Amino acid sequence: DAMVIQNPRYQVTQFGKPVTLSCSQTLNHNVMYWYQQKSSQAPKLLFHYYDKDFNNEADTPDNFQSRRPNTSFCFLDIRSPGLGDAAMYLCATSGTLTSTDTQYFGPGTRLTVL
Amino acid sequence: AQTVTQSQPEMSVQEAETVTLSCTYDTSESNYYLFWYKQPPSRQMILVIRQEAYKQQNATENRFSVNFQKAAKSFSLKISDSQLGDTAMYFCAFMKYENRDDKIIFGKGTRLHILP
Repeated sequence: DAMVIQNPRYQVTQFGKPVTLSCSQTLNHNVMYWYQQKSSQAPKLLFHYYDKDFNNEADTPDNFQSRRPNTSFCFLDIRSPGLGDAAMYLCATSGTLTSTDTQYFGPGTRLTVL
Repeated sequence: AQTVTQSQPEMSVQEAETVTLSCTYDTSESNYYLFWYKQPPSRQMILVIRQEAYKQQNATENRFSVNFQKAAKSFSLKISDSQLGDTAMYFCAFMKYENRDDKIIFGKGTRLHILP
């Protein structure tokens, strides 16, 4: 009964080669988030979708894009991965954007850039 | 801007002992939420406990409790009767109250090892 699923769990890509990470949810939540978490650091929010409305954090590089084709799925596209983009990428969902709503996290995708 | 500080990068305790993880934060807001999240090795992050700033009573969830000191801007997590499954990274986090446009601010985390 997994609720937030991320595929793949481990992804290896080459420097500059586009890569897509996938997130799906069975919770029917309106909001989906993408976080970047580097080793021994706090998760950093990249962007989120509230339904179809996309909200990009001000300091998220243009190299990072996202798509949400339907309620259940959200994708993170890294157009030209650099060595500094190697990290754990966490997907999360919540019913609403308010602080009363718990965010449910997926297990993450660990991205390695060679 | 809000900040969350966890001063203990790593801790180890023996199984069955009680351990307290520290967290301080800075904000000018009067209403907000504080959270402790647990991230076990290779598993997803889950919410352990939540505290509403306007509630004076400290939140508890089974073996997990908090010591919320609003004036001191301190929010520590106490784990009683620690178990091996408590081994994880613990993140303290802050979020403004009922604000559509805001986000969770995480601390850098405390890696907790429960030793058999």
